[in-house]
Amino acid sequence: EVQLVESGGGLVKPGGSLRLSCAASGFTFSSYSMNWVRQAPGKGLEWVSSISSSSSYIYYADSVKGRFTISRDNAKNSLYLQMNSLRAEDTAVYYCARDPEYDYWGQGTLVTVSS
Amino acid sequence: DIQMTQSPSSLSASVGDRVTITCRASQGIRNDLGWYQQKPGKAPKRLIYAASSLQSGVPSRFSGSGSGTEFTLTISSLQPEDFATYYCLQHNTYPPWTFGQGTKVEIK
Repeated sequence: EVQLVESGGGLVKPGGSLRLSCAASGFTFSSYSMNWVRQAPGKGLEWVSSISSSSSYIYYADSVKGRFTISRDNAKNSLYLQMNSLRAEDTAVYYCARDPEYDYWGQGTLVTVSS
Repeated sequence: DIQMTQSPSSLSASVGDRVTITCRASQGIRNDLGWYQQKPGKAPKRLIYAASSLQSGVPSRFSGSGSGTEFTLTISSLQPEDFATYYCLQHNTYPPWTFGQGTKVEIK
């Protein structure tokens, strides 16, 4: 059974940093591109970042470019999102989702940016 | 960037009703579209892939159609567990991958 479990969310002050993790199981993690998607409170879904299976291709939404860094460790079946210079508008539930076509999603982890 | 325009943004319907939700792409995306259901406090769940293929385990009352720029999700007979928010997602041209704005299906 495919499972994706996010962790690392929490309350952080504006300008602060946070690192999210997504632990994958039930499939060959190293064969799949992975994605981060977020959802601000009461809002829709927003794509954040994607990374190919071997980390050769990495993409970011304009809203996070230069502040967020996606990475993965295929030996540990884990996906990461390093978030720096956090802003109030980054407050959201962050989901990891598997490619292709976002077929499986984790349960999400809440990031709250507030003073 | 490809924009996905989803309509309506919300609708009220009764159990047993037929419900139709539409997504329009700003340019052709072939059939590279999925439909997702999200219940409050839960992660999105894929219902339809490749515009019209039913995800394994999803009830057959859900169906998808369309190609190019116009796509439809239909629930043939709305059930109590179907009250949720529905999103489309295009994965034809990226980045960015783009979602529709969502359609909240509420009880009439």
